[in-house]
Amino acid sequence: ETGVTQSPTHLIKTRGQQVTLRCSSQSGHNTVSWYQQALGQGPQFIFQYYREEENGRGNFPPRFSGLQFPNYSSELNVNALELDDSALYLCASSLGGAGPGTQYFGPGTRLLVL
Amino acid sequence: DQQVKQNSPSLSVQEGRISILNCDYTNSMFDYFLWYKKYPAEGPTFLISISSIKDKNEDGRFTVFLNKSAKHLSLHIVPSQPGDSAVYFCAARDNTNAGKSTFGDGTTLTVKP
Repeated sequence: ETGVTQSPTHLIKTRGQQVTLRCSSQSGHNTVSWYQQALGQGPQFIFQYYREEENGRGNFPPRFSGLQFPNYSSELNVNALELDDSALYLCASSLGGAGPGTQYFGPGTRLLVL
Repeated sequence: DQQVKQNSPSLSVQEGRISILNCDYTNSMFDYFLWYKKYPAEGPTFLISISSIKDKNEDGRFTVFLNKSAKHLSLHIVPSQPGDSAVYFCAARDNTNAGKSTFGDGTTLTVKP
């Protein structure tokens, strides 16, 4: 059984650019959630995908968008990058949509926007 | 307005003693609470959880207590070990926003040998 993997591990972009982050969920999991963790803070919920549909969203602007694929892997896309988007981006996979199933986190992608 | 608060950014305890990490919340709709542990360069790892219908859940050295009237929960680690040194996050879920977990800002626990 493989765990949650994310790519790339680190990324540097400039303001105004676009970025795509990728996540492979744990084997058998059909739900992926994305979180943004700024330095010194806890993770903040961006959105969740369940069976390829967005299934809940936090307080993030529309320039944060996502996809989930038939194999349940997922992408997070951020357009028009801003300096404040610099953060660790975590994805977590689980089974069962909105239920209290345990979420398994990947190691994260650290994004730096200059 | 932060709905989940961990008011102690750091905690230091001696090996073998009890570690108590605290968490307060404001949203009455939260019905499930979780604790995660995070080592540097790794994602958070689930530790223990508790449903709002319970007031205590125990798993080995880890016990979580929930006081709904005070909107307060705590994680007890007994006995503490140096390998427990990590950042601990408290998180809460409600059933009005599917799948969303709201996290506190974490407490860094250092267990001294």
